[in-house]
Amino acid sequence: SQQGEEDPQALSIQEGENATMNCSYKTSINNLQWYRQNSGRGLVHLILIRSNEREKHSGRLRVTLDTSKKSSSLLITASRAADTASYFCATDDLGGSARQLTFGSGTQLTVLP
Amino acid sequence: NAGVTQTPKFQVLKTGQSMTLQCAQDMNHNSMYWYRQDPGMGLRLIYYSASEGTTDKGEVPNGYNVSRLNKREFSLRLESAAPSQTSVYFCASAYRGNTEAFFGQGTRLTVV
Repeated sequence: SQQGEEDPQALSIQEGENATMNCSYKTSINNLQWYRQNSGRGLVHLILIRSNEREKHSGRLRVTLDTSKKSSSLLITASRAADTASYFCATDDLGGSARQLTFGSGTQLTVLP
Repeated sequence: NAGVTQTPKFQVLKTGQSMTLQCAQDMNHNSMYWYRQDPGMGLRLIYYSASEGTTDKGEVPNGYNVSRLNKREFSLRLESAAPSQTSVYFCASAYRGNTEAFFGQGTRLTVV
């Protein structure tokens, strides 16, 4: 089964508002990553937070990680119509002989102009 | 740099046909992955390779085989395609299994 689960599944907001997406995972991790996918395209890496970090910023993105609750959140501030996309969290899950990258089911964000 | 290149971009197969999806990366990455993406299911890992010469099963390996031909290339083979394998397939690579991954543009496969 998938390691990460995003919440909500879909989110619709007005341009300029903040968007918050949450991710829960099951097993211990070295790091957690967030990716973005525009419709019909491949995924693009946004940000990586290590297990010993609690918060990380990159431009309008803010990611938090709570390893005790096995959860992370992605905040996009001052959203723009161009932020409309699906957002996925990914964890490095120890499976088989090496760490593998496992994705959640994603949050579909729609930013209305 | 090209990054991760997948071929073909689109493919229609008849049930029972076989085909190989090709993936190549030019970033000298050690880890390579094959995922499938179905509506509402997110990405599910089919197979991955942590280094040249090694491959491991992911969450949904049945019906697929892979080959890590060299450090650059990681192919995915469907020996006898089934309608349940209709999906969008993504190849990805990373320096290591817990670092940033780079994705190809995907292969949209339809099995009729």
